[in-house]
Amino acid sequence: QSVLTQPPSASGTPGQRVTISCSGSNSNIGRTTVDWYQQLPGTAPKLLIYRDNQRPSGVPDRFSGSKSGTSASLAISGLQSEDEADYYCAAWDDSLNGPVFGGGTKLTVL
Amino acid sequence: QVQLQESGPGLVRPSETLSLTCTVSGGSISSYYWSWIRQPPGKGLEWIGQIYYSGSTNYNPSLRSRVTMSIDTSKNQFSLKVSPVTAADTAVYYCATEMGSKFDPWGQGTLVTVSS
Repeated sequence: QSVLTQPPSASGTPGQRVTISCSGSNSNIGRTTVDWYQQLPGTAPKLLIYRDNQRPSGVPDRFSGSKSGTSASLAISGLQSEDEADYYCAAWDDSLNGPVFGGGTKLTVL
Repeated sequence: QVQLQESGPGLVRPSETLSLTCTVSGGSISSYYWSWIRQPPGKGLEWIGQIYYSGSTNYNPSLRSRVTMSIDTSKNQFSLKVSPVTAADTAVYYCATEMGSKFDPWGQGTLVTVSS
């Protein structure tokens, strides 16, 4: 059972906009920023969004993040086949005194 | 840019010690925090712990009693030991640079199987 809650799966067709939610509590998302990671099949996770809505260099602006209260969301617009991957949210947790991850959402491009 | 590479045995016997090393290239280990994260087959990510170049550590409470991390700044390496291990410790183990709580970059990961 992960500290942060994500839907196990999401899907969309090419060109569509999809969103992935991440729910936490006042000991994590409610107190600090959220990061998102993309894990393509058979590879290591890669930082996709940091500090709620910042994109590292090289990440397309099709990817965006937002946060409200104790929940966060990742939005992917103009969905492409290469976006098919697992997506994880993460945030520092004051109770754990360390970072916690969501259980991951498997995105399928139909 | 900074690159990380994990190394160590791919098979460990139950009740023995899992030992992994992460080698940092393209930058100095004498900055930032350095973390270990693992992922059991088909499952999600679990943070194991972090170490600063000074040697100070912070471990996941669920693993604290079995985990030891160390750092060798002269070799630009940091290490992880987990003991004793069980089948539940079978996972891909990643090392990563931790900057302001975000992990970037990550090593490619190494699969460690606990089996007799």
